[in-house]
Amino acid sequence: EPEVTQTPSHQVTQMGQEVILRCVPISNHLYFYWYRQILGQKVEFLVSFYNNEISEKSEIFDDQFSVERPDGSNFTLKIRSTKLEDSAMYFCAGGNTGATRETQYFGPGTRLLVL
Amino acid sequence: AQSVTQPDIHITVSEGASLELRCNYSYGATPYLFWYVQSPGQGLQLLLKYFSGDTLVQGIKGFEAEFKRSQSSFNLRKPSVHWSDAAEYFCAVLNNAGNMLTFGGGTRLMVKP
Repeated sequence: EPEVTQTPSHQVTQMGQEVILRCVPISNHLYFYWYRQILGQKVEFLVSFYNNEISEKSEIFDDQFSVERPDGSNFTLKIRSTKLEDSAMYFCAGGNTGATRETQYFGPGTRLLVL
Repeated sequence: AQSVTQPDIHITVSEGASLELRCNYSYGATPYLFWYVQSPGQGLQLLLKYFSGDTLVQGIKGFEAEFKRSQSSFNLRKPSVHWSDAAEYFCAVLNNAGNMLTFGGGTRLMVKP
């Protein structure tokens, strides 16, 4: 069964550095999402992406964040200048039906630690 | 705004015992509800979902959940828990546009031998 994959599994970075988190969605997925989970807290929505555009974003997803799907396969989340509070597990998800009540399938996550 | 509450942060059950994890939601329209499980070091795996129809839905690994509109609940159940069920369980509701999940805080399940 195809799965969503994410790289790297862990990343440690210095505050102020840029990071790029990568996701390879299931091949027939059309809709893509990023969520994050700060240690001990809820899973929080960041952004949804369809047809090369952001379709929804949360208040967390400020100007320091960006997403793109540069080559039609990878889906990336970039944090331009990381802060300590960006330390979290970041999950990519995808869905494929295009219907309004689709199911989202999650990757294993990237654990980001900002020092 | 939609929200999901999981009142129990931790639950411990004995192997072979029955399990019920509570989930309450707040949503203005017909909710579309999900349960996900997160094993240690793993991602979120979909257990089951409710979109419409029969209010008792069956999922993977022997789990089921019942949607009760009158109680705004979507509780997860399993008749006999296995040690491998130890994990964190998340209830979630989908927004009207279908592009954002709102999660509850999760319930960590521990299973005693």
